[in-house]
Amino acid sequence: EDQVTQSPEALRLQEGESSSLNCSYTVSGLRGLFWYRQDPGKGPEFLFTLYSAGEEKEKERLKATLTKKESFLHITAPKPEDSATYLCAVQGSGGYNKLIFGAGTRLAVHP
Amino acid sequence: ETGVTQSPTHLIKTRGQQVTLRCSSQSGHNTVSWYQQALGQGPQFIFQYYREEENGRGNFPPRFSGLQFPNYSSELNVNALELDDSALYLCASSMSEGSTDTQYFGPGTRLTVL
Repeated sequence: EDQVTQSPEALRLQEGESSSLNCSYTVSGLRGLFWYRQDPGKGPEFLFTLYSAGEEKEKERLKATLTKKESFLHITAPKPEDSATYLCAVQGSGGYNKLIFGAGTRLAVHP
Repeated sequence: ETGVTQSPTHLIKTRGQQVTLRCSSQSGHNTVSWYQQALGQGPQFIFQYYREEENGRGNFPPRFSGLQFPNYSSELNVNALELDDSALYLCASSMSEGSTDTQYFGPGTRLTVL
């Protein structure tokens, strides 16, 4: 069964303190791994799609990497406005493009 | 480019009632997926519509049903509401071409069942 596990559940950082969020997955035939940002009470906002092991993508202070078993979202010198829940999801080879999500990591960045 | 929109924003219903949620997909997208997100959890896949046909379904009972219209907008209908149906309902649209599609989410509809 396809599954996504994110860790830690919650993370508190000081402004400027870099860290990484982890997403471990098991999926039959990975077609894509997705990172989203979600603010409280809002819909998820798309950040990155990764397709194969070794791939990396960057956007401002965020960098996503992918291996055959996990993905990392690295946050460099975070600011308070980076506070949000970060969701990881996978698409497998199930015949249609449903997303399987982890429970997310709640990030709080304090000044 | 218009993003994904959903209506209503919030909804309060009582047990046993029926509800219809609406979604307008992003311009140029032909696929709509619906997800249920309970508090503190990741979104759970309900079903997907591609060119007005149900294309796949998650582990949800038949009282969850949907439609997609020729303009690719969509509805989610839930009959015989239960307390556990209280959640944020998310619609996502995508352009299905090739093996992978990136889904873009709307702001969601918060449903409370009393």
